Amino acid sequence: QVQLVESGGGVVQPGRSLRLSCAASGFTFNNYGMHWVRQAPGRGLEWVAFLWYDGTNKIYADSVKGRFTISRDNSKNTLSLQMNSLRAEDTAVYYCARDMRVFSPTDAFDIWGLGTMVTVST
Amino acid sequence: EIVLTQSPGTLSLSPGERATLSCRASQTVYNNYVAWYQQKPGQAPRLLIYGASNRATDVPDRFRDSGSGTDFTLTINRLEPEDFAVYYCQQYGSSPRTFGQGTKVEMK
Repeated sequence: QVQLVESGGGVVQPGRSLRLSCAASGFTFNNYGMHWVRQAPGRGLEWVAFLWYDGTNKIYADSVKGRFTISRDNSKNTLSLQMNSLRAEDTAVYYCARDMRVFSPTDAFDIWGLGTMVTVST
Repeated sequence: EIVLTQSPGTLSLSPGERATLSCRASQTVYNNYVAWYQQKPGQAPRLLIYGASNRATDVPDRFRDSGSGTDFTLTINRLEPEDFAVYYCQQYGSSPRTFGQGTKVEMK
């Protein structure tokens, strides 16, 4: 069964760091580009970051550039998001999502995890 | 960055009616690379439609997409009770891959 499972969310103070993980199963992880997408409470979807299937190309939303780092360990089928200098406006459910086709330069997101909640608050 | 504007914000309809959702891009979307997602409360988004009217796996044919360039439309024919949800368009023709703000289809 193709599946993505996020973990690592929680409550953190402004300025602190948090690391999210996304465990992939049921497909050949190292063939797919992967993304992080977030959704603030009661709001819409915001794309956060993308990582090419082999880790060579990373793209970030302006809102997180310089603070967040996306990475992957293809030997462990895991995607990560290191979030530093967190702000209240980073409070959201964070989803990992998969590009639909293998080795695709750009694609829709066909598999999503259930998400992990990050709350940045004093 | 391409900005996607969805309208209306909320659509109040009854089961059996047709829903027409609009997604307008601030500039031409390369190759009409637009996707539509459905999201129900407490759930992750689900891919419905991708690039030029292709339905994702297990998506019923009452979901149809049309449009090109900057104007795209998702039509849901004969609304079923399970179709009441929020719908997002997304463009993936250029980076960053932006989403619209969503249209809520609610039961009248």
